[in-house]
Amino acid sequence: GAGVSQSPSNKVTEKGKDVELRCDPISGHTALYWYRQRLGQGLEFLIYFQGNSAPDKSGLPSDRFSAERTGESVSTLTIQRTQQEDSAVYLCASSLSSSEQFFGPGTRLTVL
Amino acid sequence: AQSVSQHNHHVILSEAASLELGCNYSYGGTVNLFWYVQYPGQHLQLLLKYFSGDPLVKGIKGFEAEFIKSKFSFNLRKPSVQWSDTAEYFCAVKGSSNTGKLIFGQGTTLQVKP
Repeated sequence: GAGVSQSPSNKVTEKGKDVELRCDPISGHTALYWYRQRLGQGLEFLIYFQGNSAPDKSGLPSDRFSAERTGESVSTLTIQRTQQEDSAVYLCASSLSSSEQFFGPGTRLTVL
Repeated sequence: AQSVSQHNHHVILSEAASLELGCNYSYGGTVNLFWYVQYPGQHLQLLLKYFSGDPLVKGIKGFEAEFIKSKFSFNLRKPSVQWSDTAEYFCAVKGSSNTGKLIFGQGTTLQVKP
C-alpha cells in the first residue's frame, strides 16, 4: 500500500553542512506535518502544510530550518549549517483535513 | 501552552498482566485525544482516538482508553498484555482551535516478558 515515505532513512553529516530531508505523503492528503524526535523524548511539532502553504511554522527551532511543499505532494525540510543538537529522527505525517495523521518511517539525522 | 504528560517512562510487565498507562494534558478548550504505538522497527501507528461522544473508546488489539474531562486525563488500558504488545506508546492531544498539530507526551516504553 502507498503509505507516507521519507528519504533518506539515515543521514550522517558533519557539523556546518546543509541537509535536505524529503517526505512523500499519501496521495490526496492535503495536510502534511513535520515532527522531530530527539533521543528519549516525545515528538516535537515543527511545521504544518495545508496544500503548499504553511499556516503554522511555530515549531521551527531557528531560522536554519525551512520547509517547502510542492502542491499537495512532496515536501522537503532543509536544515542549514547543521549543529549537533539537530541530531534526531525527523518524522513526516499526512492527513485528510484534521483527521488521523499517518506517519512515515522517519529520517535519522546524525550530526558529527 | 498545551502540554501532555505521561507518568510512566518505562513499564515492565509479565504476560497476562493488566496495563494502565497514564496520560494527562493541559488545554482549556475542546480536545481530540490520541494514543499512538510504535512497535520495534515499525512506523508510528494509531491505536485509538477520542473526538467526542462516549468517553470510553476502544482501539485495536484490545486496547481502550477513557477520557475523564474533569481530570484532564486519557489513560490507556488493556486487561491482559501479550509479549507482542512490547512497544513505545505515545499520548497526543490536538486542540480543536489549532491547525491540527499534535502535542505529544514523551512516551512510555512497555516491555512485556513472556
